[in-house]
Amino acid sequence: DAKTTQPTSMDCAEGRAANLPCNHSTISGNEYVYWYRQIHSQGPQYIIHGLKNNETNEMASLIITEDRKSSTLILPHATLRDTAVYYCIVRVAGSARQLTFGSGTQLTVLP
Amino acid sequence: GAVVSQHPSWVICKSGTSVKIECRSLDFQATTMFWYRQFPKQSLMLMATSNEGSKATYEQGVEKDKFLINHASLTLSTLTVTSAHPEDSSFYICSATGMDTQMNTIYFGEGSWLTVV
Repeated sequence: DAKTTQPTSMDCAEGRAANLPCNHSTISGNEYVYWYRQIHSQGPQYIIHGLKNNETNEMASLIITEDRKSSTLILPHATLRDTAVYYCIVRVAGSARQLTFGSGTQLTVLP
Repeated sequence: GAVVSQHPSWVICKSGTSVKIECRSLDFQATTMFWYRQFPKQSLMLMATSNEGSKATYEQGVEKDKFLINHASLTLSTLTVTSAHPEDSSFYICSATGMDTQMNTIYFGEGSWLTVV
């Protein structure tokens, strides 16, 4: 699976949009971009995934560049409970392959 | 999303004893389950992959005789830490996927804290 690069940490003001970037320049055509987050002392939580089109669900939006080499996860109105480590992972969907976790981005939402 | 549940959430055991952690998929059939370990301030490290009815595949450096994994049904996998030692103290997390999860999306349990004293 392709490697990803994320900033180590980011801050965001409560109520504002949090934009978390991810670079995946070696992504293959059949690899999806997945986002998970891990709140302290809990198991990772699935957020969203996409292939090439932008995706939106009740938690977040995922914007993937046209060349698919980078993406941005957007939390439209961050709350204190969104403070967590956010992981961007690329993986072949439709397979039973594991998720390989990098270091992720520590997002801190400030009051 | 699909629900994966782990039990117990935390456990303390004496050095030399064995402890079992259960992982259940509550609303889907988990054809594949994964076990991860996470030390403080580190990322998740994959320990093993198990497919229902088959022997688990362990990652390099993970002792299969120490970390026994059983995936006997489509809703249950167990991890048994045998002859536990203090260095086995960690956060253990299971995850699961199956044909009826969207595009084989993987869902995680809540994690189990193991402390060996």
